[in-house]
Amino acid sequence: SYELTQPPSVSVSPGQTARITCSGDALPKQYVYWYQQKPGQAPVLVIYKDSERPSGIPERFSGSSSGTTVTLTISGVQAEDEADYYCQSADSSGTYVIFGGGTKLTVL
Amino acid sequence: QVQLQESGPGLVKPSETLSLTCTVSGGSISSYYWSWIRQPPGQGLEWIGFIYYGGITNYNPSLKSRVTISVDTSKNQFSLKMRSVTAADTAVYYCASGGNYYVSGTYSYYMDVWGKGTTVTVSS
Repeated sequence: SYELTQPPSVSVSPGQTARITCSGDALPKQYVYWYQQKPGQAPVLVIYKDSERPSGIPERFSGSSSGTTVTLTISGVQAEDEADYYCQSADSSGTYVIFGGGTKLTVL
Repeated sequence: QVQLQESGPGLVKPSETLSLTCTVSGGSISSYYWSWIRQPPGQGLEWIGFIYYGGITNYNPSLKSRVTISVDTSKNQFSLKMRSVTAADTAVYYCASGGNYYVSGTYSYYMDVWGKGTTVTVSS
């Protein structure tokens, strides 16, 4: 079955840049969406269509795509950015939705 | 702005049917895609399925045989039924709304509004 692969964890110091990757064979044909989830809360969409930012999401969140890998970049990380981040896409035929396993971002 | 609220029993016995409802406010259920997603304790997100205009449904292949998603337009609600549950179905269940983009000859789906989630425990 199709999978999206994320690193389990990423750690950065405040003010540094965090990069979280998501890999999948269908990503050259499909958009990726990124969600931020803080403990006890529902996920929040922070990036859509690989690199677009919804209104209300800080400019320090950005996304990029290259081949089978997409990257969520958080520039100037703040303590409030500590959360789990999930990428989401669809299979190459556009039939079903799939989530990556999630990445825990720790702000040191 | 669309708001979503999940409701349903918090405890379901093994082998029985889990039934949840999501009430939509601030928008019409006749538009958009309406999804169910779950998250087992300490684990990641798992898409269950969605329904969209016309009542067309898509389900996670691993759950398809046990799941039905339906819409009640008169109540502006959509529902999830999951049959023959086991302890592995214990999770926080979220409803969400979203849409799709057409890209590279196929469709891409997203979820931009989520309910707060409801915890369902499967236990006797």
